[in-house]
Amino acid sequence: AQTVTQSQPEMSVQEAETVTLSCTYDTSESDYYLFWYKQPPSRQMILVIRQEAYKQQNATENRFSVNFQKAAKSFSLKISDSQLGDAAMYFCAYRSADRDDKIIFGKGTRLHILP
Amino acid sequence: NAGVTQTPKFQVLKTGQSMTLQCAQDMNHEYMSWYRQDPGMGLRLIHYSVGAGITDQGEVPNGYNVSRSTTEDFPLRLLSAAPSQTSVYFCASSYSALGSSYNSPLHFGNGTRLTVT
Repeated sequence: AQTVTQSQPEMSVQEAETVTLSCTYDTSESDYYLFWYKQPPSRQMILVIRQEAYKQQNATENRFSVNFQKAAKSFSLKISDSQLGDAAMYFCAYRSADRDDKIIFGKGTRLHILP
Repeated sequence: NAGVTQTPKFQVLKTGQSMTLQCAQDMNHEYMSWYRQDPGMGLRLIHYSVGAGITDQGEVPNGYNVSRSTTEDFPLRLLSAAPSQTSVYFCASSYSALGSSYNSPLHFGNGTRLTVT
């Protein structure tokens, strides 16, 4: 069975600095997708960035980028120029595309932004 | 466009009572799923469906039933509520990734806070 591990329950970063959130996953599948979601205090789930396993190029979305290391099964999220609005819970997610299409999440990392 | 509609937003049950959480989407998504969110546990997959008439168990299926009679609806049933089922529940949908190279993200409902006393 696939698993997703986020080893940092909480992190803090100074406003305008850069922070990296880690995510590792375990799978025997060759075809899958990866996501980062953000959950602010409103409880709404917001897509931050997504990556296809068959693409070697790392995805970027404005201040958000990923470091996708397929062999190491690692999918870290880098937030540049951190802003107060980035304070939230961040979840890494894995989607199977080989067999059953299911999507599982890690336990999350709570990110604090220090003014 | 309503997206994913989840009802109710809040619910209090007594142990042993039954209820159904409703979820509907209007985006013609094949994939629908239910998650529960508990502090320190992230989102855990309860059940999911890749199309009408097809359902499968996720990571924590015990105590919950689902059915998918239409593409739009995916209700979650608690047959005999237990305090351990106190949680926030999210319904989510997307296009299927099977046989597709399109990385469709999940669209989430606003969640249901359920308390079982």
